[in-house]
Amino acid sequence: GAVVSQHPSRVICKSGTSVKIECRSLDFQATTMFWYRQFPKQSLMLMATSNEGSKATYEQGVEKDKFLINHASLTLSTLTVTSAHPEDSSFYICSAADRSYGYTFGSGTRLTVV
Amino acid sequence: RKEVEQDPGPFNVPEGATVAFNCTYSNSASQSFFWYRQDCRKEPKLLMSVYSSGNEDGRFTAQLNRASQYISLLIRDSKLSDSATYLCVVTRNTGKLIFGQGTTLQVKP
Repeated sequence: GAVVSQHPSRVICKSGTSVKIECRSLDFQATTMFWYRQFPKQSLMLMATSNEGSKATYEQGVEKDKFLINHASLTLSTLTVTSAHPEDSSFYICSAADRSYGYTFGSGTRLTVV
Repeated sequence: RKEVEQDPGPFNVPEGATVAFNCTYSNSASQSFFWYRQDCRKEPKLLMSVYSSGNEDGRFTAQLNRASQYISLLIRDSKLSDSATYLCVVTRNTGKLIFGQGTTLQVKP
């Protein structure tokens, strides 16, 4: 089946620094990648949708300058949390959409900003 | 109002019990419907798709009522390994997955 590899699985960073999260589709081409954030005891909230070769579409309330998304190839999408603050601490998950495999999720990245 | 609403629970049931979860969605244009399972600190995993005709997979039965905008999941003969959070998910016509808050199930021996 389809696999999406997400790295890192866990990261701790200092306030004010930037963190990059990568999602790679290993055996299929992901033309669309969705990025979600999940706070404790809450649901996954869609942050943005990225399509290969074009600008990401952000959901209402999500700062595009803070959460930079790059989808430069059909197998790689990255989310960079810039100038991270403690309130950005969360579980970030990507999901790749493919016509054959449906939606495949990465294993998630637990970000802690100290 | 949230686009997808679920009772967060928790539902605490003994092994062997039958338990039902419900979900409502507000966007009548929603196209596809799913139940996902999420274990603590893990990514969600697809449990089953949901159709108006109803579908069954072993001990799990899902049902969709488009007129009422209501989705259900029934788990029979609960196992300890069924303990998890069950997420009701709908898609918009853009293909985006919209998640409910999730319902937590704890099956006890």
